[in-house]
Amino acid sequence: GDSVTQMEGPVTLSEEAFLTINCTYTATGYPSLFWYVQYPGEGLQLLLKATKADDKGSNKGFEATYRKETTSFHLEKGSVQVSDSAVYFCALCHVYKAAGNKLTFGGGTRVLVKP
Amino acid sequence: SAVISQKPSRDICQRGTSLTIQCQVDSQVTMMFWYRQQPGQSLTLIATANQGSEATYESGFVIDKFPISRPNLTFSTLTVSNLSPEDSSIYLCSVEAGWNEQFFGPGTRLTVL
Repeated sequence: GDSVTQMEGPVTLSEEAFLTINCTYTATGYPSLFWYVQYPGEGLQLLLKATKADDKGSNKGFEATYRKETTSFHLEKGSVQVSDSAVYFCALCHVYKAAGNKLTFGGGTRVLVKP
Repeated sequence: SAVISQKPSRDICQRGTSLTIQCQVDSQVTMMFWYRQQPGQSLTLIATANQGSEATYESGFVIDKFPISRPNLTFSTLTVSNLSPEDSSIYLCSVEAGWNEQFFGPGTRLTVL
């Protein structure tokens, strides 16, 4: 079955540091890939997505590139802020499933940015 | 996008009772999903709810424990029955909107004593 593996946290950084969160997946076919973010006390928000190989998703300074050859979708940001402190979830979704587009989530990575 | 609200936002319940969670969407959607997020864990899909048909449950989740209603295209409820402390979690609903995107509600934080 489908699975998503992401680096365990917590990841603690200083403001303006470079952030990378690794994500790899196992799936048949060509899933879509997502990063969701969960700020403290809030629900999940879609951060970015990529739907095919070599696509780059970007939003709010975050980027991730769909690498089919390495089955990876690593999240990066060049200069983090305190407001980026949150839990980040990598997820995949198959588009053409009769039962609906079900998301499979990684375990989540908590990021703490210190001033 | 879709705007999703959930009620209640949090609740504290006694073991053996039930809690019904409501999910309201601001537009008509075909698919609605219910997830559980146990403390410090990732999200696990409980079931998929289509309007006009019975919900489809994932492995490890049964209708007797998690009955779901989907009376129309903008609303769904999830009931967590016969509560035990192990049911303490955040329960989230989500909907498909746009192309292959899911949007999530703010979640319902359940604590069972």
